[in-house]
Amino acid sequence: DTTVKQNPRYKLARVGKPVNLICSQTMNHDTMYWYQKKPNQAPKLLLFYYDKILNREADTFEKFQSSRPNNSFCSLYIGSAGLEYSAMYLCASSRAGGSGNTLYFGEGSRLIVV
Amino acid sequence: GQQVQQSPASLVLQEGENAELQCNFSTSLNSMQWFYQRPGGSLVSLFYNPSGTKHSGRLTSTTVIKERRSSLHISSSQTTDSGTYLCAPPGYQNFYFGKGTSLTVIP
Repeated sequence: DTTVKQNPRYKLARVGKPVNLICSQTMNHDTMYWYQKKPNQAPKLLLFYYDKILNREADTFEKFQSSRPNNSFCSLYIGSAGLEYSAMYLCASSRAGGSGNTLYFGEGSRLIVV
Repeated sequence: GQQVQQSPASLVLQEGENAELQCNFSTSLNSMQWFYQRPGGSLVSLFYNPSGTKHSGRLTSTTVIKERRSSLHISSSQTTDSGTYLCAPPGYQNFYFGKGTSLTVIP
């Protein structure tokens, strides 16, 4: 099973409210990623876990939080959503990081902030 | 960091025509992955290609690592091929994405 599952698939949030997105994989992959995808833009890496170690990108450090309670699950948390957070959020996983390994994506969570 | 350039940015084809999509990257790597994103959807892996040429149905991926480029060839395009094609050379712990090529195939 090469499935990465995301919940919810669609989320409507009010400005200023928190948002929590969930991702799971059963491939025993070491690394799980969260990307933000907006139309006509490259997927933007927000953060990734290598095992229990969280790596956050410098320009999104304060905007997104994450937890990985076990190998299979990873969450993305937005404490206070702004209009600019409206996007598709893609979770992905790979074995032992990027080099030499395939990246598997979930179906995505589409967030609309109003 | 790694810079990834994809060309063309967009492409419109008549059904049955072929397409050649290009991906160039700035620093040395050892592989390339191509993805397809259907309109409004998630990313599906098409190829993981360390080097050389790989085939999958009407798709062909060619990666020349020492020249820092990879291409995706689509033969006999179909309307269902419409969507965005992204290349992503993997780094040590991360994958770097290009902006993609938006392909529209009209009947």
